[in-house]
Amino acid sequence: DGGITQSPKYLFRKEGQNVTLSCEQNLNHDAMYWYRQDPGQGLRLIYYSQIVNDFQKGDIAEGYSVSREKKESFPLTVTSAQKNPTAFYLCASSIGPGLATEAFFGQGTRLTVV
Amino acid sequence: GENVEQHPSTLSVQEGDSAVIKCTYSDSASNYFPWYKQELGKRPQLIIDIRSNVGEKKDQRIAVTLNKTAKHFSLHITETQPEDSAVYFCAASIYGNTPLVFGKGTRLSVIA
Repeated sequence: DGGITQSPKYLFRKEGQNVTLSCEQNLNHDAMYWYRQDPGQGLRLIYYSQIVNDFQKGDIAEGYSVSREKKESFPLTVTSAQKNPTAFYLCASSIGPGLATEAFFGQGTRLTVV
Repeated sequence: GENVEQHPSTLSVQEGDSAVIKCTYSDSASNYFPWYKQELGKRPQLIIDIRSNVGEKKDQRIAVTLNKTAKHFSLHITETQPEDSAVYFCAASIYGNTPLVFGKGTRLSVIA
């Protein structure tokens, strides 16, 4: 069953803690993305990676970090420096640079700071 | 960088009527314009896209039009049905060279 999988679906974090959101795809896509979704704000880009071992900051990268050690995995760490982390986080992938850029999304992780 | 504006933020229509959602973009180099539908609690899914070499594309009850000169594109849904109720996002990018930049979304409600 091909697709993009995020885990966990729900995540609770205490203030001051770092948490890591998982994103795995078996679509053989080169490009992967993290978006944050807040009510009325649309989808805002946090980080993206177009190839293994390389990634770029998006519009709201402060307080987040990523790694891309494997083609199929692109985990996102929400650090304690992120002042307002409660949000819905969406991971996506697409074939890659220079090609059709339909993005396939995971089912999302809802992060709540308690 | 690219900026995408989307209007309206909410839209209510009677079942069977048409719905139109409009977006404008700022970067004239953008050449790929997809539309995503997100049902409550689910992931966004592509419903239609258009590239800058065409002005209109249709797929059954949905269509997208593109005006490159004015830098705006629109989603048209005809004969709306209750299952069309969702949040719709427009987006823009340059073919694979830049990530998709999304509008803020339109919540469409189809009233039976």
